Amino acid sequence: QSVLTQPPSVSGAPGQRVTISCTGSSSNFGAGYDVHWYQQLPGKVPKLLIYSDNNRPSGVPDRFSGSKSGTSASLAITGLQAEDEADYYCQSYDSSLSGRVFGGGTKLTVL
Amino acid sequence: QVQLVQSAAEVKKPGASVKVSCKASGYTFTSYGFSWVRQAPGHGLEWMGWINTYNGNTNYAQKFQGRVTMITDTSTTTAYMELRSLRSDDTAVYYCARDPNYFDYWGQGTLVTVSS
Repeated sequence: QSVLTQPPSVSGAPGQRVTISCTGSSSNFGAGYDVHWYQQLPGKVPKLLIYSDNNRPSGVPDRFSGSKSGTSASLAITGLQAEDEADYYCQSYDSSLSGRVFGGGTKLTVL
Repeated sequence: QVQLVQSAAEVKKPGASVKVSCKASGYTFTSYGFSWVRQAPGHGLEWMGWINTYNGNTNYAQKFQGRVTMITDTSTTTAYMELRSLRSDDTAVYYCARDPNYFDYWGQGTLVTVSS
């Protein structure tokens, strides 16, 4: 059972917008800790997609955006492309566990 | 450019120990901490712990306390993670990641297989 809860799967057609939710609690997001997002393409190493709630590293398209409010966060992907098909993970810090925590991951399928 | 290069795959018997290395280059080694993350086959990412490369302080996930040791060698800019008393459910890909509070660069991963 992950401390951060993500839907196991989401899907969308090319060109559409999809969102992936990440639900936390008062010991992580609610305590003010940032959310970070990673993309893991099939068989590949995870890649930082969004850091500190809503910042994109250099090279990440602006089709990807992040937000956080209260004890929940979300990743939005607009203009969905076939190459976006991957697993997506949210990550934060949890004060109750005194360590970094991941969500269980969400598999994005592009129809 | 930042690079993290990990050691090769390992096969271990239950009860043994494994030590994975992560050689860093392309930046000032002591300016960033390292985390170790693992991923069992078909499963998600699991954070194992963090080490401060400047002073060697560590923070291990509760699940691994007593069984894991993380160290760094600043002379060779290499981080190490040792996991002891291996079980079959420790079979996973182990990643090192540079950690400025998130994981901005990752090693290529080291597959550790635990099998009798």
